[in-house]
Amino acid sequence: EPEVTQTPSHQVTQMGQEVILRCVPISNHLYFYWYRQILGQKVEFLVSFYNNEISEKSEIFDDQFSVERPDGSNFTLKIRSTKLEDSAMYFCASRGQGQAYSGANVLTFGAGSRLTVL
Amino acid sequence: DAKTTQPTSMDCAEGRAANLPCNHSTISGNEYVYWYRQIHSQGPQYIIHGLKNNETNEMASLIITEDRKSSTLILPHATLRDTAVYYCIVRGLYNTDKLIFGTGTRLQVFP
Repeated sequence: EPEVTQTPSHQVTQMGQEVILRCVPISNHLYFYWYRQILGQKVEFLVSFYNNEISEKSEIFDDQFSVERPDGSNFTLKIRSTKLEDSAMYFCASRGQGQAYSGANVLTFGAGSRLTVL
Repeated sequence: DAKTTQPTSMDCAEGRAANLPCNHSTISGNEYVYWYRQIHSQGPQYIIHGLKNNETNEMASLIITEDRKSSTLILPHATLRDTAVYYCIVRGLYNTDKLIFGTGTRLQVFP
């Protein structure tokens, strides 16, 4: 079964450092997302990306965050200057294009990248 | 997006059916009901979705009431691996692309 792959599985960084989290979405998918989950809290939407641009973002996704699709396979989340409160599990997701009942209009999530900021 | 209400936790014996309820009384006509689950700290996993008709796939069944104000996810023969947090999410297809996760129902399947 196709899957979304995320690297690294765990990253430890110092406060103020830049971090790049990488994702390889399912190959024929066109819509890409980042979510995060702080330990013990809800899964929160960060950003959605389609056709090489951000289509929607949450208030969490401030100027410290950016996303990029540098080539045909990777989708990255960059945090420019990490803060302690950025410590969380970050999930990438992707979906295909289709009608609701085709089964293509649902999100497939990766296993996540755990970011620890010290 | 419409708000959903789910019980905080439920228990189910292995091999029995697990029935997870969800209230979405403010759902509008073009909003779908989606169910996802999250096993431990893994990424959320899609289970099933529907608009107004009952749906069934290899994982579960979704029963939506006629007025669409509530639904029930049914895992017909729960196994220990079904222990997870189950999220009921209501989302319109055209006004937003994001899923808004609540706190979900923590289902514990016991032997």
